[in-house]
Amino acid sequence: DQQVKQNSPSLSVQEGRISILNCDYTNSMFDYFLWYKKYPAEGPTFLISISSIKDKNEDGRFTVFLNKSAKHLSLHIVPSQPGDSAVYFCAASGASGGGADGLTFGKGTHLIIQP
Amino acid sequence: DAGVIQSPRHEVTEMGQEVTLRCKPISGHNSLFWYRQTMMRGLELLIYFNNNVPIDDSGMPEDRFSAKMPNASFSTLKIQPSEPRDSAVYFCASSTPADTQYFGPGTRLTVL
Repeated sequence: DQQVKQNSPSLSVQEGRISILNCDYTNSMFDYFLWYKKYPAEGPTFLISISSIKDKNEDGRFTVFLNKSAKHLSLHIVPSQPGDSAVYFCAASGASGGGADGLTFGKGTHLIIQP
Repeated sequence: DAGVIQSPRHEVTEMGQEVTLRCKPISGHNSLFWYRQTMMRGLELLIYFNNNVPIDDSGMPEDRFSAKMPNASFSTLKIQPSEPRDSAVYFCASSTPADTQYFGPGTRLTVL
């Protein structure tokens, strides 16, 4: 049973528009949530994170929203750029910062930005 | 700065052979993680170490898999004997406790 779910395997968005990637989780013990971005033949790279005590975190074009009651988080990218085309993984951890505990990943969403 | 280094980048072997994957974490990081990515199961945690000590190996699929961290700058993941279903991309990641995990480029393993 998957504890972190990304129900959209792929998403196509026009350049300049907003990209919204969604993630659901089932484990109430998760305390910290992260988004990673992955290009082919490379390892995942950290993008943005949010602690369970917050409901929003913003970093430039990237914003992560957390709805604890719904066990749902989303990543908004605005405006979307061609370089944003990649696979995005949602991850969760029981440890603050995500560095002291293993991460539980979703299966990823392949974001394609159309010119 | 050098990131997490993994070797080899690609490994092709025959069923029954021993496979050893290697990882050098980022200097100063005291946590090291091994993950495996497959189409069926996605990215899953196999084992992780804090200060060279294995903390959680519940993700290791079978006794055929073993991992060691003899010092702060080196870790190995060994599969013996290997099977075709072990074919996957294996990632190593490192971190400090309050920081995020930094991933290596991965080792693509193919077992024929």
